[in-house]
Amino acid sequence: NAGVTQTPKFRVLKTGQSMTLLCAQDMNHEYMYWYRQDPGMGLRLIHYSVGEGTTAKGEVPDGYYVSRLKKQNFLLGLESAAPSQTSVYFCASSYRQEGRSGYTFGSGTRLTVV
Amino acid sequence: DAKTTQPNSMESNEEEPVHLPCNHSTISGTDYIHWYRQLPSQGPEYVIHGLTSNVNNRMASLAIAEDRKSSTLILHRATLRDAAVYYCILRDRYNQGGKLIFGQGTELSVKP
Repeated sequence: NAGVTQTPKFRVLKTGQSMTLLCAQDMNHEYMYWYRQDPGMGLRLIHYSVGEGTTAKGEVPDGYYVSRLKKQNFLLGLESAAPSQTSVYFCASSYRQEGRSGYTFGSGTRLTVV
Repeated sequence: DAKTTQPNSMESNEEEPVHLPCNHSTISGTDYIHWYRQLPSQGPEYVIHGLTSNVNNRMASLAIAEDRKSSTLILHRATLRDAAVYYCILRDRYNQGGKLIFGQGTELSVKP
């Protein structure tokens, strides 16, 4: 059972560079989410998707874009990285139907922008 | 989204029960109560969730007050591995996307 897999696990970017983080889940979950977590703080929702081809903004969407072309994949992109985007990024997925189970989280991507 | 209030930190002794409280006085009838925990340097991990009735699973128990304005996560015998930040979150089952909005959580330390 792979669950939620995030790639890469670590990345260092220079200011202004672009990159994409990939999230893949094998549980047939309808919903997928991207969070960021800064040191000593809780998680903040960046963007989320309720199904293939649909995305929506969360609490802190500025500077990020997302894409969900396939049900099992959710991509997070940074067009022009800034030091303020240094953080740990977590992907999560869940069933649409409440009551079946909770979210499943990936192990995170640690991104440093210098 | 309805808010939750948790103590910033709690301490427990190994092999003793732990009761982690959560207040959610503005909870709506469609909100599920979710608990997650985050061990150091790891992603959050689902613990348990419920709507009205008390719930049990292999990890913990969830006790929900009759008026649903508060709940308690119960770890029956704390181990050192249970040291983590515990988040109590409300999830609206009719809110498209079923978003989980995290607060600061309770940092639980377990003493040997």
